[in-house]
Amino acid sequence: EAQVTQNPRYLITVTGKKLTVTCSQNMNHEYMSWYRQDPGLGLRQIYYSMNVEVTDKGDVPEGYKVSRKEKRNFPLILESPSPNQTSLYFCASSFKWKVVGSEAFFGQGTRLTVV
Amino acid sequence: AQSVTQPDIHITVSEGASLELRCNYSYGATPYLFWYVQSPGQGLQLLLKYFSGDTLVQGIKGFEAEFKRSQSSFNLRKPSVHWSDAAEYFCAVGPNTGFQKLVFGTGTRLLVSP
Repeated sequence: EAQVTQNPRYLITVTGKKLTVTCSQNMNHEYMSWYRQDPGLGLRQIYYSMNVEVTDKGDVPEGYKVSRKEKRNFPLILESPSPNQTSLYFCASSFKWKVVGSEAFFGQGTRLTVV
Repeated sequence: AQSVTQPDIHITVSEGASLELRCNYSYGATPYLFWYVQSPGQGLQLLLKYFSGDTLVQGIKGFEAEFKRSQSSFNLRKPSVHWSDAAEYFCAVGPNTGFQKLVFGTGTRLLVSP
């Protein structure tokens, strides 16, 4: 089954404790991205990757890091989480970033609480 | 700047009644348009998408949307709402070239009353 898998689904952590949210897709998609969803703000893009070893900032990258060492995986790293990073996070992937009409597939989301 | 406006934060519809969710976009080029649905505790599921051609597009679960270039709108409709349609709906716009960055609206939460 084609899917985007995020882990964990729920996470409560303390300020400053480094964490990683994993994202994996099994569709051989080139393009992957991370979004955060906050009430009243919709989804905003954090980082994206057009292929292995190619990443770039989205609209709200501060406080986040990403890496793309393998095509299927795109982890989101919070080196020193702060309470304003409490949010619902989604990973998404799509096939070939230059192919028009390629829809984005989303993971189930990770609800992160930083206390 | 690219933006998507969903003017209704909440909408309540009686089961069996028709539904229309509004979406207006601002985009510098011909956009690609999407509607996603997010059920409670779930990820986003694509309902339908418009790239070109017929401006009335059909999606899953009985939904349809109409692209109106003159009004910069892409409203979502359903003729008869079911209780299981209660969810949050997001309109999104993306480029017709280049990478697949989506710009989302703030969402409309649909409540279905018995």
